[in-house]
Amino acid sequence: DGGITQSPKYLFRKEGQNVTLSCEQNLNHDAMYWYRQDPGQGLRLIYYSQIVNDFQKGDIAEGYSVSREKKESFPLTVTSAQKNPTAFYLCASSLGLAEETQYFGPGTRLLVL
Amino acid sequence: AQSVTQPDIHITVSEGASLELRCNYSYGATPYLFWYVQSPGQGLQLLLKYFSGDTLVQGIKGFEAEFKRSQSSFNLRKPSVHWSDAAEYFCAVGRKNAGNMLTFGGGTRLMVKP
Repeated sequence: DGGITQSPKYLFRKEGQNVTLSCEQNLNHDAMYWYRQDPGQGLRLIYYSQIVNDFQKGDIAEGYSVSREKKESFPLTVTSAQKNPTAFYLCASSLGLAEETQYFGPGTRLLVL
Repeated sequence: AQSVTQPDIHITVSEGASLELRCNYSYGATPYLFWYVQSPGQGLQLLLKYFSGDTLVQGIKGFEAEFKRSQSSFNLRKPSVHWSDAAEYFCAVGRKNAGNMLTFGGGTRLMVKP
């Protein structure tokens, strides 16, 4: 089945710790995205990548980092600089740029211990 | 800057009743518009989208939406709601000149009474 997978489903972070969220897609999509979802605030864009080895900051990139070494993978690292990391994180992908529908993964819920 | 407003945070309707979820956007040009649905703890599923052409668009699960440029609105409708429609609904606008980045509204949580 083609789709987007995210792992883990739940992730716990200790103070001062960096954690990495996985996002993999087998849809052969060029573009990939990371969103953060907080209650009542909808989704906010963290980072996006249009092609391999290229990525751009979104609206709330501070405290996060990404890499795009492979077309299929777009991992997100939540660094210790992100002071309020508790949220639901959603990865998405699309064929390319404008007019292309974004397809979403099932999400990872990050909780701080 | 573009923005999307969903004025209703929660809506409760009876099963079989009609539904309209409101979405207003602010954008400098003709936008790309989307409606997504999210079940609890899950990712988002696309219901329908508007890029150009006919302003009344049909989607999955019996949903439709109408783009009204004069009102900057893209309201979602369904003639008869089913209990399985209970979920959170998000309206989004695509930014044409900045890749394919989406700006989302805050969402509307739909509850369905039996």
